[in-house]
Amino acid sequence: EVQLLESGGALVQPGGSLRLSCAASGFTFSNYAMSWVRQAPGKGLEWVSGITGNGINTFYADSVKGRITISRDNSKSTLYLQINSLRAEDTAVYYCVKDYYCTGSICSLIDYWGQGTLVTVSS
Amino acid sequence: DIVMTQSPLSLSVTLGQPASISCRSSQRLVHNNGNTYLIWFHQRPGQSPRRLIYEISNRDSGVPDRFSGSGSGTDFTLKISRVEAEDVGVYYCMQAIEWPRTFGQGTKVEIK
Repeated sequence: EVQLLESGGALVQPGGSLRLSCAASGFTFSNYAMSWVRQAPGKGLEWVSGITGNGINTFYADSVKGRITISRDNSKSTLYLQINSLRAEDTAVYYCVKDYYCTGSICSLIDYWGQGTLVTVSS
Repeated sequence: DIVMTQSPLSLSVTLGQPASISCRSSQRLVHNNGNTYLIWFHQRPGQSPRRLIYEISNRDSGVPDRFSGSGSGTDFTLKISRVEAEDVGVYYCMQAIEWPRTFGQGTKVEIK
């Protein structure tokens, strides 16, 4: 059974930093690209960042570029998101998402989400 | 970036009646392998999103057959043939053809 368990969410003051973690199990973690998607209170889904299975390529939304770093430790099956210079608009539930893996023309896409971890930025 | 545009943004439906949601992408979502990476998700209040349909029209395991996806190129549709109470929530389309991933704004479905 696939499980994605996020942790690290907290109440943080503006300008602060936070590192989110996502412990993955139930699939071959190193094969899959992974993403972080966030959802501000009462708002829609916003993709934030992604990383390929080998960790070499990373991708960021323009809204967070320069303040966020995605990384992974395949030996621990864990995905991370480092967020710096936190702003009120970063307040959201952050979801860890199993993104994609392709073998030939067969791709597994965005099929599992974690339960989310809440980041609140407020003084 | 690919822009995903959904309509309508809200839908009030009588139980047992059909519902339809449109999603348009600013670019074609067809991969070199011929597959189209358009996905539909459903999010119930207080829950994580759940994938319903992938590659335009493939239903996920456990998704009732009253849900169907169709379309091609840049125009896609999610249809519910007969809305049930458990179908309330927000539906999102998403493209996975390229980075950054992008979502539609979401369509809120409620029971009339």
